[in-house]
Amino acid sequence: QKEVEQDPGPLSVPEGAIVSLNCTYSNSAFQYFMWYRQYSRKGPELLMYTYSSGNKEDGRFTAQVDKSSKYISLFIRDSQPSDSATYLCAMLNDYKLSFGAGTTVTVRA
Amino acid sequence: GAGVSQSPRYKVTKRGQDVALRCDPISGHVSLYWYRQALGQGPEFLTYFNYEAQQDKSGLPNDRFSAERPEGSISTLTIQRTEQRDSAMYRCASSQGGGDQPQHFGDGTRLSIL
Repeated sequence: QKEVEQDPGPLSVPEGAIVSLNCTYSNSAFQYFMWYRQYSRKGPELLMYTYSSGNKEDGRFTAQVDKSSKYISLFIRDSQPSDSATYLCAMLNDYKLSFGAGTTVTVRA
Repeated sequence: GAGVSQSPRYKVTKRGQDVALRCDPISGHVSLYWYRQALGQGPEFLTYFNYEAQQDKSGLPNDRFSAERPEGSISTLTIQRTEQRDSAMYRCASSQGGGDQPQHFGDGTRLSIL
């Protein structure tokens, strides 16, 4: 069993919809939780970075962490075609990142 | 530079050849990481440097893989006697410090072994 599980999708939504992404994990040592966005032929780009359980909002993006359930989520409000990408959750233990497989999202105009 | 720079972007070589992949981190970032990403998967950790010291090489698959960062800036990942199974995207990341600092990735080197 992988340390980090993420549904690979793909996920297709109409423009303006809310996109909901999530990951589960098994390692209690994970201290920090991140979401990266990866466009085709580009490297992962850091979107959200959280430590404690709860919500963190940045513009149209909201990250949720529930350490007791070992579950994290990313919500994208008012989705745009430019949000079409692969979204990777990642978890940090000391300096080592463990990634989910990524969810491919397409926002249809 | 503004971001992490990796070269070459693409490398095609024959089985048995040695390859060297280069990473130039964000200016001022003391920590540098190498990851390998298979198609449809997230990156997997290979090795970590703090300044010039290689702190962790536990993710390197075997002794054909090595990495160095002699002056604490640019790093080179070397694969000797390449095999087809080494074909993957190799990614470099850097951070201001180790531990809890966010890591920023380059666009990677796509390595193909014929």
